[in-house]
Amino acid sequence: EPEVTQTPSHQVTQMGQEVILRCVPISNHLYFYWYRQILGQKVEFLVSFYNNEISEKSEIFDDQFSVERPDGSNFTLKIRSTKLEDSAMYFCASRDSGDRTEAFFGQGTRLTVV
Amino acid sequence: GQQLNQSPQSMFIQEGEDVSMNCTSSSIFNTWLWYKQDPGEGPVLLIALYKAGELTSNGRLTAQFGITRKDSFLNISASIPSDVGIYFCAGHSRDFGNEKLTFGTGTRLTIIP
Repeated sequence: EPEVTQTPSHQVTQMGQEVILRCVPISNHLYFYWYRQILGQKVEFLVSFYNNEISEKSEIFDDQFSVERPDGSNFTLKIRSTKLEDSAMYFCASRDSGDRTEAFFGQGTRLTVV
Repeated sequence: GQQLNQSPQSMFIQEGEDVSMNCTSSSIFNTWLWYKQDPGEGPVLLIALYKAGELTSNGRLTAQFGITRKDSFLNISASIPSDVGIYFCAGHSRDFGNEKLTFGTGTRLTIIP
């Protein structure tokens, strides 16, 4: 069964460093997303991406964040200068086009900023 | 912004019991989705609802899309140990021209031995 895959599963980084979280969405999907979940809290929307551009972004997704689809399969989230409060699980998701809005999630990357 | 409130926040039940949880919103959604999350894992889609009033089943799970489009419920019948986890509702609305899922606050299900 097709699935969304994310790497790495766990990343530890020092405050102020840049990190890139990687995702391979399901192959025929056209909408891509990043979500964040701080430990014990709900899943929060960061950004959606369609047709090689950002469709929507939340207030969390400020100038330190960026997304890219560098080739036909990968979808990345870059955090330019990490802060302690960026520590969270980051989930990538994708969905098909059209009226079916069911998004499928990856296993997540646990980011720990120290 | 759009907010989804789930209740109850947590449930402690015995194996074999039925479970009911719901989700209410201040806004209308076109789609309601229910996800389950195990510790350290990503949300897994359980059920998708696309029409107001729609009642959909997936095995022991049944979910309904409220008539007002501002609420949904999820029922689990005859709970088993692997039902333990956090259940999230999520709404999608195209009316606002946006492209995102808004997640609820979650219901944590625990089964007491």
